Amino acid sequence: NAGVTQTPKFRVLKTGQSMTLLCAQDMNHEYMYWYRQDPGMGLRLIHYSVGEGTTAKGEVPDGYNVSRLKKQNFLLGLESAAPSQTSVYFCASSYAIAYEQYFGPGTRLTVT
Amino acid sequence: DQQVKQNSPSLSVQEGRISILNCDYTNSMFDYFLWYKKYPAEGPTFLISISSIKDKNEDGRFTVFLNKSAKHLSLHIVPSQPGDSAVYFCAASPRSANTGTASKLTFGTGTRLQVTL
Repeated sequence: NAGVTQTPKFRVLKTGQSMTLLCAQDMNHEYMYWYRQDPGMGLRLIHYSVGEGTTAKGEVPDGYNVSRLKKQNFLLGLESAAPSQTSVYFCASSYAIAYEQYFGPGTRLTVT
Repeated sequence: DQQVKQNSPSLSVQEGRISILNCDYTNSMFDYFLWYKKYPAEGPTFLISISSIKDKNEDGRFTVFLNKSAKHLSLHIVPSQPGDSAVYFCAASPRSANTGTASKLTFGTGTRLQVTL
């Protein structure tokens, strides 16, 4: 039982490059989330999903896209990376929308 | 508009003493509150929660107190241990309002706790 896993752990991108962050959970949770954490800003919700095939915008969705093709996976895409997207990205999942969320270990992304 | 506020970015406490971390909220619809702990290079992990029907919830060394009239909650750690050194996030939700996806968690900005020897 791995919980929530994220791939990759670290990545450096040049401005304008694209990449996809992968999140996987083995707890059969319906709900999945992508957050970014920046110094002094706490955890800010980027996008979330309430079930397979669904996605919704969170607090800071601009510049990101997501897909939930399978219940256990939630992908976060950056089509044209910008230095402002340098951050630590966390994926989380939960049984229901207002229940405890289980977080992955994070992906540290640097955009130069 | 920050609906969940942790006004102390950092706190230093001696080992064995009590650590008190504070959190204020502005949304009167919030009725479910959680604390998460985060070590460097790891994801946040759930620590303890409290529903608004209670004013206290205890789990070992960790106790969360809720003051609904003041819209304030606090996390007490007694006694504090060096392994408690981490960033602590509080989070809140209008869980029983049954507002669908509006019930998702709102996080504070975190407080870094350092427990010294």
